Amino acid sequence: DAGITQSPRHKVTETGTPVTLRCHQTENHRYMYWYRQDPGHGLRLIHYSYGVKDTDKGEVSDGYSVSRSKTEDFLLTLESATSSQTSVYFCAISDRGDRTNYGYTFGSGTRLTVV
Amino acid sequence: AQSVSQHNHHVILSEAASLELGCNYSYGGTVNLFWYVQYPGQHLQLLLKYFSGDPLVKGIKGFEAEFIKSKFSFNLRKPSVQWSDTAEYFCAVNSRDNYGQNFVFGPGTRLSVLP
Repeated sequence: DAGITQSPRHKVTETGTPVTLRCHQTENHRYMYWYRQDPGHGLRLIHYSYGVKDTDKGEVSDGYSVSRSKTEDFLLTLESATSSQTSVYFCAISDRGDRTNYGYTFGSGTRLTVV
Repeated sequence: AQSVSQHNHHVILSEAASLELGCNYSYGGTVNLFWYVQYPGQHLQLLLKYFSGDPLVKGIKGFEAEFIKSKFSFNLRKPSVQWSDTAEYFCAVNSRDNYGQNFVFGPGTRLSVLP
């Protein structure tokens, strides 16, 4: 698999606490994405980044913030976790310039439970 | 805005049966089209992709998909399924005008293959 890792793999947290999920890549890809996966909804984009310090909102960005201080790391923060944010979170990377390999490469996911 | 629909929420087949999973998208411009597969407990993996050229695309594990532009469809097919094909399948689209921009995923189709 491509060099993309997510941490932690599993987390249980209490309502109202902040949580940070990390996505780390070793592919030097420009684009990084955070999705959440929920039954019946497929994958929905939370935030994405098109370069260091360049980020933008996706369709379900409320309650989430991101940061990308270096190419290889893309952090997703839940400022104050709520039960509706219980989900599986996937990070993905892509390389705009490489059409041969174009497409997303996904991380293994983080299963977050907010109790 | 782009959207992707998948015809079936859950498909149940016996081994050796033929498979066709429907995918339709709405977008006025030219698109890139993808099918991803997610085996139980795993991350999404690319099955096949269409950029241009021959509308019949062959992917891994015996899967193929046909792009029918007039119908805005990109249906996934396999002549004879195996128990190991049990997984969730996601159709995805993005605009060819913006490589690297975020994909839009369909809600997914769960395939159960009975031995």
